[in-house]
Amino acid sequence: QQQVKQSPQSLIVQKGGISIINCAYENTAFDYFPWYQQFPGKGPALLIAIRPDVSEKKEGRFTISFNKSAKQFSLHIMDSQPGDSATYFCAAKPGTYKYIFGTGTRLKVLA
Amino acid sequence: GEEVAQTPKHLVRGEGQKAKLYCAPIKGHSYVFWYQQVLKNEFKFLISFQNENVFDETGMPKERFSAKCLPNSPCSLEIQATKLEDSAVYFCASSQWSSPLHFGNGTRLTVT
Repeated sequence: QQQVKQSPQSLIVQKGGISIINCAYENTAFDYFPWYQQFPGKGPALLIAIRPDVSEKKEGRFTISFNKSAKQFSLHIMDSQPGDSATYFCAAKPGTYKYIFGTGTRLKVLA
Repeated sequence: GEEVAQTPKHLVRGEGQKAKLYCAPIKGHSYVFWYQQVLKNEFKFLISFQNENVFDETGMPKERFSAKCLPNSPCSLEIQATKLEDSAVYFCASSQWSSPLHFGNGTRLTVT
């Protein structure tokens, strides 16, 4: 019940294409859903986040879509660039303030 | 500071030796978290602090792992008698209540 399931494990996208990463959860107590971007040798950096009272949030080329009834949320990267090549993690925070992370998606954007 | 600072960057220990990792949270952040990231990218929660008090330690293997956050000192994570399976990258993160986690760049521990 505490898991966050993330897919796909890896993704290859052409430059200019749309990258889509999906996450699903079970615990309805989760109240905050961030996405983190991690480059090799670095710590995860917050990319964008959403709360369950909103169905979509957009920041630049990055959009989170949130489906509360299906308990799913996804990250869309529009006009993907080679510099977006990184590992992306979804996460969820329950009321206890312990973030639960997905297993990561390794994105490669081809030039 | 404006970044979570973790030291050292790399640490190599022989099996059975002690390892100690340090974390300086962002100034003004009262919550500190330790996560272990293993080769398959999985983030395993270890422990969190609210100031110097343990907030949640449900992820800590208590027989060998300990952690502290003392006033005016970096937080620390100590592993007594390291095992090969402790090889991982250990991340520290800090935040204020209801604000996002800010991560450091991690300490890569290699146990040989």
